[in-house]
Amino acid sequence: AQKITQTQPGMFVQEKEAVTLDCTYDTSDQSYGLFWYKQPSSGEMIFLIYQGSYDEQNATEGRYSLNFQKARKSANLVISASQLGDSAMYFCAMREGRGGSEKLVFGKGMKLTVNP
Amino acid sequence: GAVVSQHPSWVICKSGTSVKIECRSLDFQATTMFWYRQFPKQSLMLMATSNEGSKATYEQGVEKDKFLINHASLTLSTLTVTSAHPEDSSFYICSARHPLGGRLYEQYFGPGTRLTVT
Repeated sequence: AQKITQTQPGMFVQEKEAVTLDCTYDTSDQSYGLFWYKQPSSGEMIFLIYQGSYDEQNATEGRYSLNFQKARKSANLVISASQLGDSAMYFCAMREGRGGSEKLVFGKGMKLTVNP
Repeated sequence: GAVVSQHPSWVICKSGTSVKIECRSLDFQATTMFWYRQFPKQSLMLMATSNEGSKATYEQGVEKDKFLINHASLTLSTLTVTSAHPEDSSFYICSARHPLGGRLYEQYFGPGTRLTVT
């Protein structure tokens, strides 16, 4: 069964508008972490934001915020004021396991295109 | 932030030859590094976890004799694709776990290596 689900294969947004990228996850662990990464065409994985399972506040990093709904097991990424440089693939990932055995499980990703 | 490098950034090799990819943590010591594989338009799939001074732990379905991993020092892990075939062509990405990262068990990613086997 998929542990990270990103159902939107692609999205288009106008520059300066906000966009929400969906991510749902499945785990029976109490302690886990959720990450969002951006992958431009160059291929590098760029860390955007992190949410720990015990964090009560939604994470924010500049224009990025994470809408964490634990009961629904969703961790949607919100990008405010989209920029042309935001066009890229976006991956949601979950860290499961503990030190020495932890691993990141990635969703299939979604392609965001920001139009001028 | 922490920096992880990979070398080479791209490589073309002939079928049947072996290729070595290096992953280095430049400004921190990483006891654990990870190797991922990404096919075009697909997600990252973890291949193996590399621990300094011990044998790598491979994910199910990954051939350990084909993908040799050596984590010889706290700053270097290597992935050797042995007897490469065209189906091994892919984007290989490494990451290193920062021991003192603010986010629990955070991994820092290298820029990736694009392997093409002809």
